[in-house]
Amino acid sequence: GDSVTQMEGPVTLSEEAFLTINCTYTATGYPSLFWYVQYPGEGLQLLLKATKADDKGSNKGFEATYRKETTSFHLEKGSVQVSDSAVYFCALSDLTGANNLFFGTGTRLTVIP
Amino acid sequence: EAQVTQNPRYLITVTGKKLTVTCSQNMNHEYMSWYRQDPGLGLRQIYYSMNVEVTDKGDVPEGYKVSRKEKRNFPLILESPSPNQTSLYFCASSYKGGSYEQYFGPGTRLTVT
Repeated sequence: GDSVTQMEGPVTLSEEAFLTINCTYTATGYPSLFWYVQYPGEGLQLLLKATKADDKGSNKGFEATYRKETTSFHLEKGSVQVSDSAVYFCALSDLTGANNLFFGTGTRLTVIP
Repeated sequence: EAQVTQNPRYLITVTGKKLTVTCSQNMNHEYMSWYRQDPGLGLRQIYYSMNVEVTDKGDVPEGYKVSRKEKRNFPLILESPSPNQTSLYFCASSYKGGSYEQYFGPGTRLTVT
């Protein structure tokens, strides 16, 4: 079945460091791919998405490219800030029309000044 | 303001005592869903609904019930809670199926003793 494998955390970086969080997926067909972010004490919110191969999603300096050949959707940011400290979830939507999301286990990022 | 609300935010209860967690959205979304979040497991879907009076099981439906009598509300019912249902629960909604963004509520932390 459909699944997402996400880089284990936690990840601790200094401010202005480069961030990569790896995400690979298994799915039949071509699902939509998402990154959601969860700030402390809050629900998840959409960070970015891509709906077809080679699409690049971007938001708030984060970006991820839908790579069909490697079944990956890695999250990157060139220069992280303390305010980026959160848990990041990679997810894919199934293709049944039900809009069900399959989530990775989440990666906790802590950015230190 | 567009939002998904959940109540209560925190709940401590005892084994076997029936409880309901309410979820409401003000965006006229057709799709609603319940997830539970557990450490190391990410988010797993419990039940979802694609419209009024249409509900279906997710990945972990055992021990839960839902109903969708109105478009805006999607309560989660635990008829006889057990300690293994101690978790963080999220309600989400989206316009409809496919690649549409899901909007999450703030979460309900449930402890069953």
